[in-house]
Amino acid sequence: RKEVEQDPGPFNVPEGATVAFNCTYSNSASQSFFWYRQDCRKEPKLLMSVYSSGNEDGRFTAQLNRASQYISLLIRDSKLSDSATYLCVVNDDGNQFYFGTGTSLTVIP
Amino acid sequence: EADIYQTPRYLVIGTGKKITLECSQTMGHDKMYWYQQDPGMELHLIHYSYGVNSTEKGDLSSESTVSRIRTEHFPLTLESARPSHTSQYLCASSLLAGQSSYNEQFFGPGTRLTVL
Repeated sequence: RKEVEQDPGPFNVPEGATVAFNCTYSNSASQSFFWYRQDCRKEPKLLMSVYSSGNEDGRFTAQLNRASQYISLLIRDSKLSDSATYLCVVNDDGNQFYFGTGTSLTVIP
Repeated sequence: EADIYQTPRYLVIGTGKKITLECSQTMGHDKMYWYQQDPGMELHLIHYSYGVNSTEKGDLSSESTVSRIRTEHFPLTLESARPSHTSQYLCASSLLAGQSSYNEQFFGPGTRLTVL
């Protein structure tokens, strides 16, 4: 079983839509959680860390459910520039980062 | 400005050549990583280091080697390049566990390697 599992998509949504991505992780001892964004042929860039209480940054909201070992990312009012691959990343006790396969998002005009 | 750098950005080379991909960071991070990623595919960890003189193999078997003589520098070497090594190589760094409550990884821009 993979450490981190994501729905690969692709998600094709119209501009202005709300879209949600989910991710599950297998190690209950995982300590840190992140969403990264990766554009085609570019390096992954940190979108947001995911805190236990949930956190919001503008149109982006991240949630963590430790009991279900589940992380989510919600994007409201999608923009064309949101088109990218979104990577769910989990860190165990700090020694290893585990990446999901990524979820592809295309926002359509 | 603290950052992570990779050179070259693009490299096209013939089979059998020895190559070294450079990675340097000015972020003061102890931990560094090398990942391999094919287009549209997931990242695979090939090497990592906890600090000077520390090198470990990652999940993906790789014919490359790494060294960590200085904290800032983590070069990756392929002794004899083959077409199967064609891929994107991404370097990353982070704090060690315990140095921060949230130690995210920062990535360099990558080296796109093509072996003919």
